[in-house]
Amino acid sequence: AQSVTQLDSHVSVSEGTPVLLRCNYSSSYSPSLFWYVQHPNKGLQLLLKYTSAATLVKGINGFEAEFKKSETSFHLTKPSAHMSDAAEYFCVVNPRYSSASKIIFGSGTRLSIRP
Amino acid sequence: DGGITQSPKYLFRKEGQNVTLSCEQNLNHDAMYWYRQDPGQGLRLIYYSQIVNDFQKGDIAEGYSVSREKKESFPLTVTSAQKNPTAFYLCASSIGAGGGYTFGSGTRLTVV
Repeated sequence: AQSVTQLDSHVSVSEGTPVLLRCNYSSSYSPSLFWYVQHPNKGLQLLLKYTSAATLVKGINGFEAEFKKSETSFHLTKPSAHMSDAAEYFCVVNPRYSSASKIIFGSGTRLSIRP
Repeated sequence: DGGITQSPKYLFRKEGQNVTLSCEQNLNHDAMYWYRQDPGQGLRLIYYSQIVNDFQKGDIAEGYSVSREKKESFPLTVTSAQKNPTAFYLCASSIGAGGGYTFGSGTRLTVV
């Protein structure tokens, strides 16, 4: 069975400190993995994606994620948080063998930034 | 610029009414989707379509209907049979299986 688990429902960091949002997945196949960001009352914006090329993926706004097959993880990081990073973040798994209906969203992590 | 346009941004519905949410894309994507998002929750799939004139039910299709007469358009109708329609609705499209999704900016539906 395919699944994705975001380990923290809420993360709070101070501005200028590192950000770590954790995501673990379960997939019988080599999946595509994505991180999306959602600001209040907005749609989801793609931050970055892993599709079996380099395991360290760089995205927009200074975010990056590392695909670790041995740990089945795809954690999102940023070296220095900015106030504008405050938003909801979703980890998404797409088993590439499947039809579109099988894409799986994590439950989301709300990131708060303290001044 | 290519993208997905959802309209209206805010919609108010009286109980017992049907309302239709619009979703248009100019990305030439084959697949389109409708999701529902409730406060503090993830996204739940309502309907999806992988090709014109064909669509399938997602996890929470009851009380909703869709059509896919054109590749660019995938409107969602929230019928009076949907007992709790107040939510944020997101439309998305993708080029096919395994690809990432492009999302619209959403429609917030409120029952008054």
